[in-house]
Amino acid sequence: DGGITQSPKYLFRKEGQNVTLSCEQNLNHDAMYWYRQDPGQGLRLIYYSQIVNDFQKGDIAEGYSVSREKKESFPLTVTSAQKNPTAFYLCASRDGDLNTEAFFGQGTRLTVV
Amino acid sequence: GNSVTQMEGPVTLSEEAFLTINCTYTATGYPSLFWYVQYPGEGLQLLLKATKADDKGSNKGFEATYRKETTSFHLEKGSVQVSDSAVYFCALSDRASGSARQLTFGSGTQLTVLP
Repeated sequence: DGGITQSPKYLFRKEGQNVTLSCEQNLNHDAMYWYRQDPGQGLRLIYYSQIVNDFQKGDIAEGYSVSREKKESFPLTVTSAQKNPTAFYLCASRDGDLNTEAFFGQGTRLTVV
Repeated sequence: GNSVTQMEGPVTLSEEAFLTINCTYTATGYPSLFWYVQYPGEGLQLLLKATKADDKGSNKGFEATYRKETTSFHLEKGSVQVSDSAVYFCALSDRASGSARQLTFGSGTQLTVLP
């Protein structure tokens, strides 16, 4: 089945540590996105990528980094510079037709302990 | 720039009640419009979409009509069920904006349906 997979579902991190969230898609989509969602809030765009080896900052990129070495993969690293990293992180992908919807992963809940 | 404004929640209804969640938008071009649903602890799923003016999207008893004259895409369902309890997001995709950031989301509306 085609889809988008995020792992792990739950992640705990100690303060001062970097952590990487995985996002893989087998939909052959060009564009991929990372969003952050805080309790009771909407989605905020962290980074997005339109093609391999290219990515752009979103609205809240500070303290985060990404890579896009393969079309299928778009990992997000939450660095120690991110002051308040505890949140629900969502990855999405989309093809080039702008009438089509984005497909979302199941999300990763990151908790800093 | 583009924006989506949703009816503030939370919304609480009894089972079999009529549901309306308002959504209005601002866009520079001719957007496609979407409703997504998010169940607790999960990602977003597409509920329905409309890609041009006067189109009606529908799925699982939910409907929304793309109204260009009022820049609206209100979500409706005639008889809600407990299983419809979730957060609903309105979103738009604007082909005129020229980048992969075309997806713009509203802030979400929490719906709770009581038995």
